[in-house]
Parts: sequence; structure tokens; C-alpha cells
Amino acid sequence: AQTVTQSQPEMSVQEAETVTLSCTYDTSESDYYLFWYKQPPSRQMILVIRQEAYKQQNATENRFSVNFQKAAKSFSLKISDSQLGDAAMYFCAYRDYYTGTASKLTFGTGTRLQVTL
Amino acid sequence: EPEVTQTPSHQVTQMGQEVILRCVPISNHLYFYWYRQILGQKVEFLVSFYNNEISEKSEIFDDQFSVERPDGSNFTLKIRSTKLEDSAMYFCASSPKQFGKYNEQFFGPGTRLTVL
Repeated sequence: AQTVTQSQPEMSVQEAETVTLSCTYDTSESDYYLFWYKQPPSRQMILVIRQEAYKQQNATENRFSVNFQKAAKSFSLKISDSQLGDAAMYFCAYRDYYTGTASKLTFGTGTRLQVTL
Repeated sequence: EPEVTQTPSHQVTQMGQEVILRCVPISNHLYFYWYRQILGQKVEFLVSFYNNEISEKSEIFDDQFSVERPDGSNFTLKIRSTKLEDSAMYFCASSPKQFGKYNEQFFGPGTRLTVL
């Protein structure tokens, strides 16, 4: 079974600075997807960024980027120019690459990010 | 922008009672999911649903749970006899059908279930 591990329960960053959240995963599959979801206090799950395992290029979305190391099974999230609105719980998630089936997401335990002035 | 909706936002029930949590997925989506999150813990998969049948279910999804798509728009999760440990946030998600491509799962805002 696939597992996702987030070893940092809490992180703190100053506004305008950069922070990196870590995630490792375990799978025997060669094709899969990885995600970072943001969960603010409202508890809504919001997709931040996604990465296809067959793509070597790291995904970027504005201030958010990932460092995907397939051999090391590592998938970290970098937030640049941190803003107060970035404060939230961040979950790393894994999904198998299936076609035509409803494959589930497997989540890590989350990292709570605090943004200070 | 279309979104997944869930009702109610908060449900309080007595232990042993039946509850039905409702979700309206995005209209052109064909894959549906329920996840739950016990307070302070990670989000856990419960069940996935496609073509009017369960595709996969987790160990959590025992005989007390059932899902249904009764009318082509709603997607419901029923808990027949609630236990204290069923207290959690329940998230519904849906994704479109795209063979060979990435299927993003769009999450609803969640229903907070409190079992007393």
C-alpha cells in the first residue's frame, strides 16, 4: 500500500520569506500523481499544485513550486514570498495513475504553516 | 465556477442514530468520493463510486456505511448507527472522466458530524 509521510508537524515563516515543506512517499508504481493541498481554518481542501511522476520538470504555480525527486521518493513544496494568507495546514497526497477508474488520494498527516509579520 | 456542495455544514446526532450526508458533485463529473478527517488527523479515504457502483472502499467503510446516487445529481453517505468515533469532518469530492489523463478531485466544503 502507498504511504505518504510528512515529518514536519509545524513550520513557521516570516512574511515575504521562503519556506519549504517536506514530503516523502512510498510506492511500487512507476506512474502516479502527487499533490499539495491547502486546508485553511475553514477546513476547505484547496488544490495548490500537482506533479505527474512521468514528468521530470518540477511543477510551478505562481509562488508555489515543487522539488520532485522520483528516485528518492521525495516531493517538497516551496512557497516563495510568503503571505499571511498562506497560513494553513498543508497536506501532501498521492494518487495512482489509473485510466477510467476512480482512484483514491492517500494523504500525509499534514504540516501546519504559520506566517508571522 | 462550478463547485461541489455539501449539506448540512454541521450535523449533530445521538449515538445509534442514522445520518445521511448529502453532496452535489460538479454536474459533468462521473467519479465520486467520500473522505473523512477526524479532528487533528489526516484526511482518510472512505469510498469511491463510479457508474452507480462502488469502485473501491477502505477498511473504515464497513457495513454501517453506504453510498447512493439517488437522482443523478445528489451523492449521499449514510451511516446507519452512528458511534462516537464517527465524529469527524466528511468531505465529498468529484472528478471528471478523462481517460489517460489526470483527474483532479474537487472537494466540497465538508460536513462536520458530531456524535453525542
